[in-house]
Amino acid sequence: DAKTTQPPSMDCAEGRAANLPCNHSTISGNEYVYWYRQIHSQGPQYIIHGLKNNETNEMASLIITEDRKSSTLILPHATLRDTAVYYCIVNSGGSNYKLTFGKGTLLTVNP
Amino acid sequence: DTAVSQTPKYLVTQMGNDKSIKCEQNLGHDTMYWYKQDSKKFLKIMFSYNNKELIINETVPNRFSPKSPDKAHLNLHINSLELGDSAVYFCASSQAVSSYNSPLHFGNGTRLTVT
Repeated sequence: DAKTTQPPSMDCAEGRAANLPCNHSTISGNEYVYWYRQIHSQGPQYIIHGLKNNETNEMASLIITEDRKSSTLILPHATLRDTAVYYCIVNSGGSNYKLTFGKGTLLTVNP
Repeated sequence: DTAVSQTPKYLVTQMGNDKSIKCEQNLGHDTMYWYKQDSKKFLKIMFSYNNKELIINETVPNRFSPKSPDKAHLNLHINSLELGDSAVYFCASSQAVSSYNSPLHFGNGTRLTVT
């Protein structure tokens, strides 16, 4: 599976949009991009996934570049409860057990 | 109405002991998993079960034995505990094995400390 690169940490002011980048320059045509997050002392939580079109749900938006080599997860109005480690994962296997969680980005939302 | 629940939340035990961690999901999912998160926070798959059948075992020592009495339960039994087994263990479930429209739902973890 393609490797992903994320910044180790980011800060965001409460109420502002949080834009979390992810590079996946070796992504292949059948690989999806998944985002999960892990709030301290909790299990990871699914956020969103996409192939090539932008996606939006009640939690976030996922913007994938046209060449699919990078993506951005957008939390439109970050709250303190959004402070967590965010994982960007690329998976071609189509199987959940092939999802590989890296180090992710620690997003800290500040009051 | 917890979706994926694990017990116990904390487990402290001595080397050489045998212990079990229980996991139950009330989501009606067909597939369940065990993950290990080590001190460096890397989350790694250990086992995956689909309809009570083992479908993946990722180079886990045979001291670890998962048991799935039914689709809603996947317990983890660990024999002869070692210091290196100290970690947070997460149970998860998904509607199906496929990741495309079947996201993982995780429990809140069991912190195992072996002394």
